[in-house]
Amino acid sequence: EDQVTQSPEALRLQEGESSSLNCSYTVSGLRGLFWYRQDPGKGPEFLFTLYSAGEEKEKERLKATLTKKESFLHITAPKPEDSATYLCAVQSTDKLIFGTGTRLQVFP
Amino acid sequence: NAGVTQTPKFQVLKTGQSMTLQCAQDMNHNSMYWYRQDPGMGLRLIYYSASEGTTDKGEVPNGYNVSRLNKREFSLRLESAAPSQTSVYFCASLAGPNEKLFFGSGTQLSVL
Repeated sequence: EDQVTQSPEALRLQEGESSSLNCSYTVSGLRGLFWYRQDPGKGPEFLFTLYSAGEEKEKERLKATLTKKESFLHITAPKPEDSATYLCAVQSTDKLIFGTGTRLQVFP
Repeated sequence: NAGVTQTPKFQVLKTGQSMTLQCAQDMNHNSMYWYRQDPGMGLRLIYYSASEGTTDKGEVPNGYNVSRLNKREFSLRLESAAPSQTSVYFCASLAGPNEKLFFGSGTQLSVL
């Protein structure tokens, strides 16, 4: 069965404390893995797409990586404005499956 | 550039009432989607429209209907609202296969 699991559910970090969010998946025929950021009361906003194992993408303090079984979203020296829910979605041959998200809080 | 626009932002219904959620995109995308988001669950696809004139069921279509009015607009209708339909609803559009989704800001719906 196709499945996407994100961990942890919630993460509290001190400003500057680097960490990683995990997205593990089991799908038939990976076509792409997407990371989105969602702020309270808003729709998800696109961050990255990864298409094949070994691929990496970076944007400011965020770096996404992909293996055959999971993806990591690394956050380096986070700031309070990085606080949000981060969603992972996996595109298989016939469907797009979203994880339940990781709620990140960064405190000054 | 407005992107994807949804109305209304908030709505409270009584059980059995009907309503239509409106969605419009100005990016000339062919594909449009309706999702619902519930606590502890990932975004779940209700209906989608791969192109103007076509609509298909997603994962959770029961209790909903859709209309792809034209290339820009895709509406979601609840004919007889039930408390189980209390959720946050998102409309999205897609530029092409395996491309990213562009989401609207959501409609928070409560059914009492």
